[in-house]
Parts: sequence; structure tokens; C-alpha cells
Amino acid sequence: GAVVSQHPSRVICKSGTSVKIECRSLDFQATTMFWYRQFPKQSLMLMATSNEGSKATYEQGVEKDKFLINHASLTLSTLTVTSAHPEDSSFYICSARDSGRDEETQYFGPGTRLLVL
Amino acid sequence: EDKVVQSPLSLVVHEGDTVTLNCSYEVTNFRSLLWYKQEKKAPTFLFMLTSSGIEKKSGRLSSILDKKELFSILNITATQTGDSAVYLCAVGLNTGNQFYFGTGTSLTVIP
Repeated sequence: GAVVSQHPSRVICKSGTSVKIECRSLDFQATTMFWYRQFPKQSLMLMATSNEGSKATYEQGVEKDKFLINHASLTLSTLTVTSAHPEDSSFYICSARDSGRDEETQYFGPGTRLLVL
Repeated sequence: EDKVVQSPLSLVVHEGDTVTLNCSYEVTNFRSLLWYKQEKKAPTFLFMLTSSGIEKKSGRLSSILDKKELFSILNITATQTGDSAVYLCAVGLNTGNQFYFGTGTSLTVIP
């Protein structure tokens, strides 16, 4: 159990386009999901906390108009990188907490590798 | 500013060696500390620690938390090449649902 999927797993796009990444909890409900960004050989950097039915909470330094987050259901959160530029190229990982359990464990998706040309 | 620091940044050992990875933190409203193993893709959960002095164990891996000195260690005994990965620790706070990750330790186990 506790599987999180991400789609797409890899995307290449031109500079100036927008890219949407989906994060789904497959066998549990998640009122809270998290979006992370990871540069090569670096740790995970929390970008924002996605809350079902309300606005996302962004970490300091993360532009909310650049990285749009929508958590429209208990099993789906989306991250849209708007007007992507080469510096947005990175590995984006989502995680989710199981709302039905009183535990803090985050279950991670497999990640999405974004390359902006 | 909340901070999570891991050491060493990287480590190369031979199969069979025992390694100790460190995670120290300076945060307000500490709630829990988690250890993850990251190979090529997303991290996989290892341990969650909330209380000092209670060792968590899973096979050759074990971990313990010291809330007075603000650190945790992850031990791996009789290392195998499959243990090669980046090990991440993350700290959760009482003030929200977020977790903040440390810098990671890259472990390489050579035959």
C-alpha cells in the first residue's frame, strides 16, 4: 500500500512553455502533499505544501505565480511550472501523507525530471 | 533559521565495514526526525524517531535520536554494495506539516 505516482516521469520542453506535473496517491487519501525540487547531487528542497481544498503554502523564495499548485481532490495535486526557463530544469518530487493514519511518514512519488531547452 | 546538517557529505567503504552517518539539527518546535534512502529516484522511508534514546532497528540498519544534543545517527553494519545510496534525514516541526531535509550523505560501498 501507500503508493504515490507522478506523471510524467520525464519531460523536455522549450523555454517559455508551461509544464504540468501530476502527483497522485493511488491507494490512500492525502489532504496534504508536498512538492520538492532536487538539483544534481543536492538534497531535497521543499517548495510548497499542497493542501486539499485550499491554497498551497509556499516556502520562502519560491514564486507562487511561477509554480502553480492545485490540490483539487484528496488523491491529486498538480504542479504547473509556468513559462519555464532552462534554470527550472530539475528533478521534481512530490510526497503525500496518509490522511487516514495518525503517522507522519511521507510517501514519495518516483519524481519527474524536467529539462527546459 | 531552521537547519539540518548531515555529515559526512560522502563516504566510501569496503563491503563488510560498519558506517555511522550523522544528522544534526537546529530547529524550533522539533517534532520528529526521519531517515530516508535515496538511490536513483525518489527516497524510500527507513525510520522515524520522536523520542530520545530509543533505538530503531531494521536488519543491518539502526538509528537513534538524542534530543538533548540535537542529533541522530544512522548505523549500517556489514555493509553491502546494495547499501550504496544517498541517505537523507528530514526534520518535522510542530508548527506545520512540512519536513526539512538535510544535505544528505552519499555512501559508496565497494566490493
